Amino acid sequence: DQQVKQNSPSLSVQEGRISILNCDYTNSMFDYFLWYKKYPAEGPTFLISISSIKDKNEDGRFTVFLNKSAKHLSLHIVPSQPGDSAVYFCAASGLDTGKLIFGQGTTLQVKP
Amino acid sequence: ETGVTQSPTHLIKTRGQQVTLRCSSQSGHNTVSWYQQALGQGPQFIFQYYREEENGRGNFPPRFSGLQFPNYSSELNVNALELDDSALYLCASSHSGYRRDTEAFFGQGTRLTVV
Repeated sequence: DQQVKQNSPSLSVQEGRISILNCDYTNSMFDYFLWYKKYPAEGPTFLISISSIKDKNEDGRFTVFLNKSAKHLSLHIVPSQPGDSAVYFCAASGLDTGKLIFGQGTTLQVKP
Repeated sequence: ETGVTQSPTHLIKTRGQQVTLRCSSQSGHNTVSWYQQALGQGPQFIFQYYREEENGRGNFPPRFSGLQFPNYSSELNVNALELDDSALYLCASSHSGYRRDTEAFFGQGTRLTVV
């Protein structure tokens, strides 16, 4: 029962172009969504989040879009840089809980 | 401000043994969550401790247990180890048990191998 899904295991983009990472969820009770980045041999690092009352949140080169009707969110990185190469996880949580449900992750490679 | 530290970083155990993993939370944080990340998967929530009490549990059997100490550090104990318990175990600390984990800081993880 995979409540949060990242259907693309990997993505490769050229430096300077846009990276778009996608995530789908099934549980309509989720009301908060987050993206984490993970380098090898390190723990996940929080990147950006969005509440279900919004449809977009921006932080520098990173923008997260939420489409509640489609139960879909995406992370846009513009422009992509080689240092962005990592595994990206989307995660979701519901009301009154600190429990995060993670997707399987997407490995992003940004080529110079 | 110290970060989240986990020990040990790597561990090899035999099936049937017991293991204890440790986590020191970030200064000022009173909540610790534990996650299991199998190879090629996302982290899966095991349980969370808030002010020394268990505050939610994922779909893991009772042989996974935990503790939180007055200084908010935490232990994860796994009894009767099985081969499928081989994974990266992540600890995350945050300020409040009921807040979103937007400010949860993860440790580097403990890589457990069961043979």
